[in-house]
Formats: sequence, C-alpha cells, structure tokens
Amino acid sequence: DAGVIQSPRHEVTEMGQEVTLRCKPISGHDYLFWYRQTMMRGLELLIYFNNNVPIDDSGMPEDRFSAKMPNASFSTLKIQPSEPRDSAVYFCASSFGGQETQYFGPGTRLLVL
Amino acid sequence: DAKTTQPTSMDCAEGRAANLPCNHSTISGNEYVYWYRQIHSQGPQYIIHGLKNNETNEMASLIITEDRKSSTLILPHATLRDTAVYYCIVSTSYGKLTFGQGTILTVHP
Repeated sequence: DAGVIQSPRHEVTEMGQEVTLRCKPISGHDYLFWYRQTMMRGLELLIYFNNNVPIDDSGMPEDRFSAKMPNASFSTLKIQPSEPRDSAVYFCASSFGGQETQYFGPGTRLLVL
Repeated sequence: DAKTTQPTSMDCAEGRAANLPCNHSTISGNEYVYWYRQIHSQGPQYIIHGLKNNETNEMASLIITEDRKSSTLILPHATLRDTAVYYCIVSTSYGKLTFGQGTILTVHP
C-alpha cells in the first residue's frame, strides 16, 4: 500500500484565496483525521470522520474551515478565505478502528502570504 | 483524556538504550498509553501502545507501572535515525489523540 497520500505537498497562496487540501486514506481504513501543526500550538486535531461521516469537528478553528469526505477514498480540507495565521503543516491520517494505529501522510505545508 | 508530562529533551549515545519516561497520573482504567514519534519534516509515526501489560514490538518496548501512573518507552539500541520528537499520549476516545509537546530525543554518534 502507498500509505496515506496528501496533495499538494506545498502550497503558497495569498491572503483571501481559497485553499483546498486533499487526502487519500489507506484502503480499507474507516477513520480519517485532519491535524494542523504549528510551532506555537503543536499538533492539533481539527476533525475526524468515521465511515465518511464527520464525528467530531470541535477542533476546526472557525467557519472559514470546512472538511468533507464524499467517499471512503477521498477527503478535502478547505480554507476560504485563507489568512496568514493559517500557515501551518496540515496532516491527514487514517486508521482501521478508532483506537488502532493512526497512519499519517507526509503533510501539506501551507504558506499564506 | 488524561494529561501527560514528558521531559522536554533527552540525549542518548548511539547503540545505547534510550529510556523515555512519561507521567500520566490521572489516567483512568480504560485509557490506553500510546507512543508516536515525529522525525523532522515527516508525519508522526506510531511506535507502540498498551493498556496494562508491558508490550514489545520490533521498534520498542513499553513498560507501564503497576499503578499505571507512568510509563517508559525503551528503544533498545538507539541509532541516529531515532532522533525525533517522541509523544506519549493517553486516550480512550475513539480517534482522539491529543499530542503534547513531546520529548526531543537526540541520538549522538
């Protein structure tokens, strides 16, 4: 298996633009997680899905952030409009069963100018 | 979920065992202890987890005290590639791993 795939790996955009981050979980995994990592706040869970249904989005910072999982093999995290404080590394992870090992993708490094 | 306390940083000589402590004094009976690590610029990587008993896998050993208030991750023969941030997490909630600041382990030649 190729592992969790994220795209793009790097994104540079200007404030106010829409940003869409993409994730393909490991085939057969039923949980998908989105995390954000910054120097100031560390690694934070934003939202997670179980069987494509959002279970807990309490970590989503504000309404500018939205996440979808239209099917078992694809998820998006969208920021609209983006702001400089959204600059971070965004990780996607997946697992089979919520208490099992989470496998992380390589991350998307987002810079909002 | 219970909070954990880890040293900010540790050093280890290559080839020696690295013993990384973690305190979780408020852990409840159904909470697992997880260890992940993050090598620079990569996503976190699962190492091991346990509930009550000591656990061992190809990467490491996990020693949990009898009262479950603390644990130690042991890397038996540390290599330079083991230099990373090591996170100790306790959790029972499905899917919710709360990462703290972790321990920066530096393995020296």
